[in-house]
Amino acid sequence: QQQVKQSPQSLIVQKGGISIINCAYENTAFDYFPWYQQFPGKGPALLIAIRPDVSEKKEGRFTISFNKSAKQFSLHIMDSQPGDSATYFCAASWSGGGADGLTFGKGTHLIIQP
Amino acid sequence: GAGVSQSPSNKVTEKGKDVELRCDPISGHTALYWYRQSLGQGLEFLIYFQGNSAPDKSGLPSDRFSAERTGGSVSTLTIQRTQQEDSAVYLCASSLSKGQGYEQYFGPGTRLTVT
Repeated sequence: QQQVKQSPQSLIVQKGGISIINCAYENTAFDYFPWYQQFPGKGPALLIAIRPDVSEKKEGRFTISFNKSAKQFSLHIMDSQPGDSATYFCAASWSGGGADGLTFGKGTHLIIQP
Repeated sequence: GAGVSQSPSNKVTEKGKDVELRCDPISGHTALYWYRQSLGQGLEFLIYFQGNSAPDKSGLPSDRFSAERTGGSVSTLTIQRTQQEDSAVYLCASSLSKGQGYEQYFGPGTRLTVT
């Protein structure tokens, strides 16, 4: 059972454009939703994270929008740059679980064309 | 300061052999996590440690997988009698403490290839 569904699998955006990646979750107990960025040969690095008590969080060019009723959240990258080309993963976890491990989406391969 | 380090960076082994993968977390981080990243399955959570204890081992794929952590620091993931389906990148992460308020910092991973 895939608990976090991510789309699209791949995305091509022109430099300066807005990149949008979407995720949907099933487990209503999830209460922490981070986004990770991964470059080839490197481990994932946290970009930005949100909790369900807010609907939006912005850090620089990166914004998370969160819709609790729809069980969806998305990452918006404004003014996308070639250096943003990477694989992006959404994730979720819940503090009531014993493991505190992150459940990841399948990832989105983002290419920003100069 | 130094980040999470993992060794070896690459490991090629023959089917049926045992392998040990090592993780050095960030100094002072009490929580440590193991994940597996493969093309077919994406990023899968395997196990986490708070100190030297692993409260939940249900994420380990089979009884061929085991992990330990000593001294609240270094952790070793051991895979016995490796199979081709074990081929993946094994990632370790650490955080200051357990819980969703604490960012997990990932290492570069160990790429395991079982031939």
